[in-house]
Amino acid sequence: GAVVSQHPSRVICKSGTSVKIECRSLDFQATTMFWYRQFPKQSLMLMATSNEGSKATYEQGVEKDKFLINHASLTLSTLTVTSAHPEDSSFYICSARVDRLANYGYTFGSGTRLTVV
Amino acid sequence: AQKVTQAQTEISVVEKEDVTLDCVYETRDTTYYLFWYKQPPSGELVFLIRRNSFDEQNEISGRYSWNFQKSTSSFNFTITASQVVDSAVYFCALSLSGGYQKVTFGTGTKLQVIP
Repeated sequence: GAVVSQHPSRVICKSGTSVKIECRSLDFQATTMFWYRQFPKQSLMLMATSNEGSKATYEQGVEKDKFLINHASLTLSTLTVTSAHPEDSSFYICSARVDRLANYGYTFGSGTRLTVV
Repeated sequence: AQKVTQAQTEISVVEKEDVTLDCVYETRDTTYYLFWYKQPPSGELVFLIRRNSFDEQNEISGRYSWNFQKSTSSFNFTITASQVVDSAVYFCALSLSGGYQKVTFGTGTKLQVIP
């Protein structure tokens, strides 16, 4: 149980285009979803926290107009990378807290590897 | 602000050896949670353990064991009799309690188990 399904797993896009990444909680309701970015051989850095039905909270230095987050339902959060550039190439991963997971824990999506060419 | 330090960037061991991954954390809060995650080459994060700051009991799960010491702000992870399938990047992480707190990750330790 406590699965977050993330799609697509890999995407290649041209510079200037937009890419949407979806994360769905399959067997639980995710009131809050976290979006992370991981550059090669580096740690996960939190980009933003999305809350169902309200605006996302972005970490310092993350452009909210570039990384659009929508959390329209309790089971779906999306991250749209707008006007993508090669420097946006990275591994993006979502996470949700699950209260019943080992007294609680965080479950992660399988990640999306974005390559902007 | 919270900080998690994993000083070991990469470790190589021969299969069946024991290996300990170090984790040191910083926080001013008295109530927090510590985690270990495994990230195999495929990229997904696998939850290994969560430890409450009030619970300093060490834990063993099969070949995995964790040593939590508040006095030194450390939460080390030991794999006994390592196997090739243990090869992955391991992340130590911390979150504060209360509500939906974000998780702060360490920089990760890449473990390579050589057959």
